[in-house]
Amino acid sequence: DAGITQSPRHKVTETGTPVTLRCHQTENHRYMYWYRQDPGHGLRLIHYSYGVKDTDKGEVSDGYSVSRSKTEDFLLTLESATSSQTSVYFCAISEGNSGRDEQYFGPGTRLTVT
Amino acid sequence: AQKVTQAQTEISVVEKEDVTLDCVYETRDTTYYLFWYKQPPSGELVFLIRRNSFDEQNEISGRYSWNFQKSTSSFNFTITASQVVDSAVYFCALSEAWTGANSKLTFGKGITLSVRP
Repeated sequence: DAGITQSPRHKVTETGTPVTLRCHQTENHRYMYWYRQDPGHGLRLIHYSYGVKDTDKGEVSDGYSVSRSKTEDFLLTLESATSSQTSVYFCAISEGNSGRDEQYFGPGTRLTVT
Repeated sequence: AQKVTQAQTEISVVEKEDVTLDCVYETRDTTYYLFWYKQPPSGELVFLIRRNSFDEQNEISGRYSWNFQKSTSSFNFTITASQVVDSAVYFCALSEAWTGANSKLTFGKGITLSVRP
């Protein structure tokens, strides 16, 4: 199994509060991704990183920011949480990004915004 | 833009039945990759298979087999003699080959498979 952990695994927070989710990998992979999973939508890419301090937006990036100061850590921040951000968040990693590289996923974080 | 359609949302079968999960994709690229992932009730996502657009050979791995047909833009997944442990959500995904920008993985909405004893 790929060494990917996410913390916290579960979180309940109130609307308007900032929230940070952490993804940690021990594989030394260059690429890291944040997805959200919602019923009827599958997985949608929020942001991704192609190296330390190198990040880019995915298809549903509004309301989210990311940072990557070390190869092993990729943080996702909800600047002011809203109920629409209630979701399961998955981190993924891949060795390359040529299209053929499979992504390996962390266990997920279930976030509830009340 | 790339797109993956999994028209079946839920499938229920009895153990030992064969079941096929459909995946239809759209892409403008001639080089691309297709993937299947499994998400069991425990929630983690497990990589099952990758196929590139130049390899249309069917793949078999134990009870699992995959049929890739470029003519119909389909990459279907068949489970033979299904078991209760096969109960999961199955995602098909598409990635276009690197073109100088970072490649992205596009997922279908998933198919929930329930295998009843």
